[in-house]
Amino acid sequence: NAGVTQTPKFRILKIGQSMTLQCTQDMNHNYMYWYRQDPGMGLKLIYYSVGAGITDKGEVPNGYNVSRSTTEDFPLRLELAAPSQTSVYFCASVRDRIFYGYTFGSGTRLTVV
Amino acid sequence: TQLLEQSPQFLSIQEGENLTVYCNSSSVFSSLQWYRQEPGEGPVLLVTVVTGGEVKKLKRLTFQFGDARKDSSLHITAAQPGDTGLYLCAGARETSGSRLTFGEGTQLTVNP
Repeated sequence: NAGVTQTPKFRILKIGQSMTLQCTQDMNHNYMYWYRQDPGMGLKLIYYSVGAGITDKGEVPNGYNVSRSTTEDFPLRLELAAPSQTSVYFCASVRDRIFYGYTFGSGTRLTVV
Repeated sequence: TQLLEQSPQFLSIQEGENLTVYCNSSSVFSSLQWYRQEPGEGPVLLVTVVTGGEVKKLKRLTFQFGDARKDSSLHITAAQPGDTGLYLCAGARETSGSRLTFGEGTQLTVNP
C-alpha cells in the first residue's frame, strides 16, 4: 500500500547512544515532516523539508538532525540520546496543498534509559 | 504557550450521547484541519475547513470554522464506540507555508 513507512516501530536506547529513525514515502510528495508526540502535548514539529536537498528547523530541533537526499527518504538522526527524547516520533508528508491533509506514518516509540 | 487550545482534554461518554470538542486560538488561520488518531497509529485526516463560518458534515460528525477563523468545533451526534480515539485540530497560518500547528488533542472514550 502506498503511504509513509517508518522504521523501527519500537526502540530502547541508552543515554548517549545514537540512532537514525527511517522514513520513506512512495507518493512523490514534496513536503515531509518529523513530529514528536508526548502525552497531553499534541504534536511538536522537529524538522521539515520542502524538497530534496532542503531542510529547516521546526519548534523543537535541538538534539536532532535530518537530511533529504531524495524525494522519498527523510531520516531523523539522534546523536546523543537523552531521557527527554523519550517520545513517539511521527513522520508525515504532503504533496503540495495541505488542504488534502498530511499522510502520517505509524510512528516510532523511542525510550531512552 | 499553546497556539491551539483544545477542550476538553478528556471526555468519557456513553454510546448514543452527543458531544462537542473545541479548538481555540488567538491567531487567525488560513485553514484548519481535524484528525483522528487511534492507538499505535498516526493521525488520519477527517476534514479541512478554509472559509470563516464554514460548516462541514461527515455522517454523524459536524465541523465548524469560526467566523473570524480563530476557532473550530467538532460535534458528534449519537456517539458510537468506534468513535473512540484522540481528536486533534491543526491549523495552517499564512506565514507558515505548509507547516501545521497541532492542538494538544481530546481523548474521547465512548462506552458501550
